[in-house]
Amino acid sequence: GNSVTQMEGPVTLSEEAFLTINCTYTATGYPSLFWYVQYPGEGLQLLLKATKADDKGSNKGFEATYRKETTSFHLEKGSVQVSDSAVYFCALSVEGNQGGKLIFGQGTELSVKP
Amino acid sequence: GAGVSQSPSNKVTEKGKDVELRCDPISGHTALYWYRQSLGQGLEFLIYFQGNSAPDKSGLPSDRFSAERTGGSVSTLTIQRTQQEDSAVYLCASSGVSYNSPLHFGNGTRLTVT
Repeated sequence: GNSVTQMEGPVTLSEEAFLTINCTYTATGYPSLFWYVQYPGEGLQLLLKATKADDKGSNKGFEATYRKETTSFHLEKGSVQVSDSAVYFCALSVEGNQGGKLIFGQGTELSVKP
Repeated sequence: GAGVSQSPSNKVTEKGKDVELRCDPISGHTALYWYRQSLGQGLEFLIYFQGNSAPDKSGLPSDRFSAERTGGSVSTLTIQRTQQEDSAVYLCASSGVSYNSPLHFGNGTRLTVT
């Protein structure tokens, strides 16, 4: 079946540190991959996506590269800010009769300290 | 236009009562999803509507849960004979037709069963 596994949180970093949140997936077919973010007190929102192998999604200084050979989509940011504190969810969707149904990882909480 | 709207934002109910949660998707979005987010857990898929196709109910945890989507727009998630383990945030999302269209989430309904 289809599944997503993320590194467990919480992740605590100092401001300007480098961030990596690991995400690996299992999928039948050719998935699209997404990172969603949930800021405190807010709803989930799309952060970035990649729809085919070797694509790089990027937004707000975050990047993730679709690696088919390692079935991974790790989220990175070179210099985090306090405002990046949130819960980050990796997700996939697979074309076919499942339509756009997203399968989410369990989420990784990031806390950035000044 | 407006984003995905969910109501009520909070609901407290007694064990054994029925509850209805409402979702008003973004106008023109053909796909509608319900997810459940429990404390400390990831997002659990419940049900997915796509246009006039039969809904994907594969995530509903029991026959106490049901959902309908009237006129291809507003959706109602009904939980009958609520149990304490139903306490969670219920999230609705909508998206366009393509399987890699991003989901737009509402702010959720926080359900507490006492």
